[in-house]
Amino acid sequence: DTGVSQNPRHKITKRGQNVTFRCDPISEHNRLYWYRQTLGQGPEFLTYFQNEAQLEKSRLLSDRFSAERPKGSFSTLEIQRTEQGDSAMYLCASSSGGRTSYEQYFGPGTRLTVT
Amino acid sequence: EDQVTQSPEALRLQEGESSSLNCSYTVSGLRGLFWYRQDPGKGPEFLFTLYSAGEEKEKERLKATLTKKESFLHITAPKPEDSATYLCAVQAYNTDKLIFGTGTRLQVFP
Repeated sequence: DTGVSQNPRHKITKRGQNVTFRCDPISEHNRLYWYRQTLGQGPEFLTYFQNEAQLEKSRLLSDRFSAERPKGSFSTLEIQRTEQGDSAMYLCASSSGGRTSYEQYFGPGTRLTVT
Repeated sequence: EDQVTQSPEALRLQEGESSSLNCSYTVSGLRGLFWYRQDPGKGPEFLFTLYSAGEEKEKERLKATLTKKESFLHITAPKPEDSATYLCAVQAYNTDKLIFGTGTRLQVFP
């Protein structure tokens, strides 16, 4: 039973460049979540999908951020025209949903550094 | 506005010295309260879910309890390997998102 995987684990980019991260959820999970975490803070919710439908987006998610889950399996998070304030750990989580199981299981994260 | 506050921010314990971490919350209709452990540079690791006041869950040296306004994570006879940041999060009925506190950094010294 493999857990949530994320790629790449680390990304260094220059300000103004576009970056894309990938998340592969636990295979039987139909819900997938993206969070962002900065040093000394708890994770902040960005968006989530049920299957391929994007059901909720945070007000934190500016127009430069876009997420997709085209076939209801893996998901990508793209940041366009990166800014130094985008430097953070980007975490992906998945859950099976349903009435008895709301736990979200997190991947190892992608650490983004914008120079 | 839904909110989670954790205290203390940091806690240093001697090995074997039991203590408790606090998570206070305000949420419009609590579906569940979640505890996670996070090691440096890694993603949060799920520990417990609590759904109703009075509920308790245990795992090894950890025990989580829930009231209508707060949750406690009790650590009994901690070991150095329990050193980590412990995060508390709440989920409301009308959403799937988790709202996290800033965590408690626990250090256990031998």
